[in-house]
Amino acid sequence: DTGVSQNPRHKITKRGQNVTFRCDPISEHNRLYWYRQTLGQGPEFLTYFQNEAQLEKSRLLSDRFSAERPKGSFSTLEIQRTEQGDSAMYLCASPTSDGYTFGSGTRLTVV
Amino acid sequence: GQQVMQIPQYQHVQEGEDFTTYCNSSTTLSNIQWYKQRPGGHPVFLIQLVKSGEVKKQKRLTFQFGEAKKNSSLHITATQTTDVGTYFCAGPRAGANSKLTFGKGITLSVRP
Repeated sequence: DTGVSQNPRHKITKRGQNVTFRCDPISEHNRLYWYRQTLGQGPEFLTYFQNEAQLEKSRLLSDRFSAERPKGSFSTLEIQRTEQGDSAMYLCASPTSDGYTFGSGTRLTVV
Repeated sequence: GQQVMQIPQYQHVQEGEDFTTYCNSSTTLSNIQWYKQRPGGHPVFLIQLVKSGEVKKQKRLTFQFGEAKKNSSLHITATQTTDVGTYFCAGPRAGANSKLTFGKGITLSVRP
């Protein structure tokens, strides 16, 4: 248990379907980050929240992607009309004084 | 935009050999962080360096932050099979928020 919880751990979906992932960050941590990691790459920044406010979004986050953090606690990341190129590990992180604590991630496979 | 480079992406060593890898940023960093990811796992924080020229040690691992705060190195003395994994460096651009830009990582394999 890293202190950051993500579910589901794995998701297989058909192209065109919508998917939603959840992240529960370290309790009472104000900031929350979403990253995406594909094979052979480092994590790439998607978006981050300060409490419930989404303060920055990467250009990687197309119109099909939306993230929310309605009460400033857990966050959801939704991908609409999934494409094969969306297949990746989606990681959530809480920043601490000792770097980021990542969750175990959600591995998405679009078939 | 900011780029963090790690070359090469793969390195194979014999158990007991030393290993050094480097990380270079296109912009000055406010700090540099190193993470380790085991196969099938998620990145795990190893260390953070903040000061120019800073050196920190963790058992057999030695980390250094460059004088210009644009590069860093990781040195492992007498590698062991437990050192297998992918090592990422990451840093926030100086003056920016804490968003980290990661390198592609170097995957280390150790022959027993």
